[in-house]
Amino acid sequence: GAVVSQHPSRVICKSGTSVKIECRSLDFQATTMFWYRQFPKKSLMLMATSNEGSKATYEQGVEKDKFLINHASLTLSTLTVTSAHPEDSSFYICSAREGSSGRHEQFFGPGTRLTVL
Amino acid sequence: AQKVTQAQTEISVVEKEDVTLDCVYETRDTTYYLFWYKQPPSGELVFLIRRNSFDEQNEISGRYSWNFQKSTSSFNFTITASQVVDSAVYFCALSEARGAQKLVFGQGTRLTINP
Repeated sequence: GAVVSQHPSRVICKSGTSVKIECRSLDFQATTMFWYRQFPKKSLMLMATSNEGSKATYEQGVEKDKFLINHASLTLSTLTVTSAHPEDSSFYICSAREGSSGRHEQFFGPGTRLTVL
Repeated sequence: AQKVTQAQTEISVVEKEDVTLDCVYETRDTTYYLFWYKQPPSGELVFLIRRNSFDEQNEISGRYSWNFQKSTSSFNFTITASQVVDSAVYFCALSEARGAQKLVFGQGTRLTINP
């Protein structure tokens, strides 16, 4: 099956620093990748949709200057949380969709748990 | 706008009992997809099923079964003879069939199977 990896799996950082999270599709080309955020005991909320080679589309209420998304290749998308604050602490999950086959499944990464001190 | 409602926030049953997780959705699209995902304590989402809006046949996979009722906009999930390993949070989700095909998730149901 299609595999999506995320790195790092956990990160602890100080307030004010920036953190980059990588999302990779390991055995398929992902024309579209999605970034979700999940607070404890809550559901997944879509933050943005990124298509390879173009700017990400952010959901309402998500600050694009705060959460920088880059989808530079068909196998890699990155999410950078800039000037992180404790309220940014959350579980960030990416997913990827294969573009060529017309499949509608999104394959999810294992998630990255961010803790901002 | 699309919306998914999982009214049961938590369910607790004893092992070997059958349990049904409810999912009700709202959409204006005539073509859409419905999903169920399992999220164990590790956090990784596990894909369980995808259902096309045109396919109202019920599906069974081992101890899992799904009942899709378009008339009531429901897509319920039943676990038969539950096991402790079934303990997890289960999410129902909906996506449009065209365009970005973004997933909209329900609030999730935390299922605890007690030995």
